[in-house]
Amino acid sequence: GAVVSQHPSRVICKSGTSVKIECRSLDFQATTMFWYRQFPKQSLMLMATSNEGSKATYEQGVEKDKFLINHASLTLSTLTVTSAHPEDSSFYICSASADSFYNEQFFGPGTRLTVL
Amino acid sequence: AQKITQTQPGMFVQEKEAVTLDCTYDTSDPSYGLFWYKQPSSGEMIFLIYQGSYDQQNATEGRYSLNFQKARKSANLVISASQLGDSAMYFCAMGAPTQGGSEKLVFGKGTKLTVNP
Repeated sequence: GAVVSQHPSRVICKSGTSVKIECRSLDFQATTMFWYRQFPKQSLMLMATSNEGSKATYEQGVEKDKFLINHASLTLSTLTVTSAHPEDSSFYICSASADSFYNEQFFGPGTRLTVL
Repeated sequence: AQKITQTQPGMFVQEKEAVTLDCTYDTSDPSYGLFWYKQPSSGEMIFLIYQGSYDQQNATEGRYSLNFQKARKSANLVISASQLGDSAMYFCAMGAPTQGGSEKLVFGKGTKLTVNP
C-alpha cells in the first residue's frame, strides 16, 4: 500500500503558541488530503478536506482561522494550530487519497499534540 | 447524511475463537462503501476490509470477513481465530461524497476488542 508520513509524531507546546504538523505522501501523488482529530477514547472526526492548489473545505464547527490548512503540493499538506490552548490537545491524523488508488484513503501515523 | 453506529463499546474474546463486531449504517445514497479499520494503542489506522454496496459477495481478507446484510443496513466484521495481537480499537466507516468530488470517511464510535490468552 501507499505510505503516508506525519511529522512530528509528538509535540508539547505552551498555550498561545502555534504548532505546524506536516503530512506527506511518500510514494504517490495525493490529489486529496484529509485531516482528522481524535480525542481520547473517541472516534475520528473529520476536520477538513484539502485538494492540492485550492482552499480547504472545513467541516461544520471547525474554525478555519484556528486550524490553517495548506496543501501546497501533491505530496504535502500542513495543518497549523494557531494560538493553541489546552482544549486543542488531541491526536491529529491525516490521510491521503489519489484517483489512481480509486480514492482509497491511506492514513498517516498521527501526531499527538499536548498543549500545556 | 451518513451515519455509522457501533453499539459495542467493548468486546472480549478468547484466543483462537471467532468474534463479531457490529456495525449498522444509515445513508440515502444508493451507492456506498463500507470500511473497517483497526487502531492499536500506537494510534495508527490500519485498513482491514472494504465492502461496496453493489458487491454481490461478502468481502473477505484473510481472517477478516464482512457480514454484509444490505436490507438490515449492517456490516459486521468477523475475526476468525483471534490472536493476542488483534487487541485494539476497531472502527467501522462509510464513504461520503464531498463537494470537491473526493470521498471522506464517516466513522463510528469504535469497539475496543480484548483478546484473552
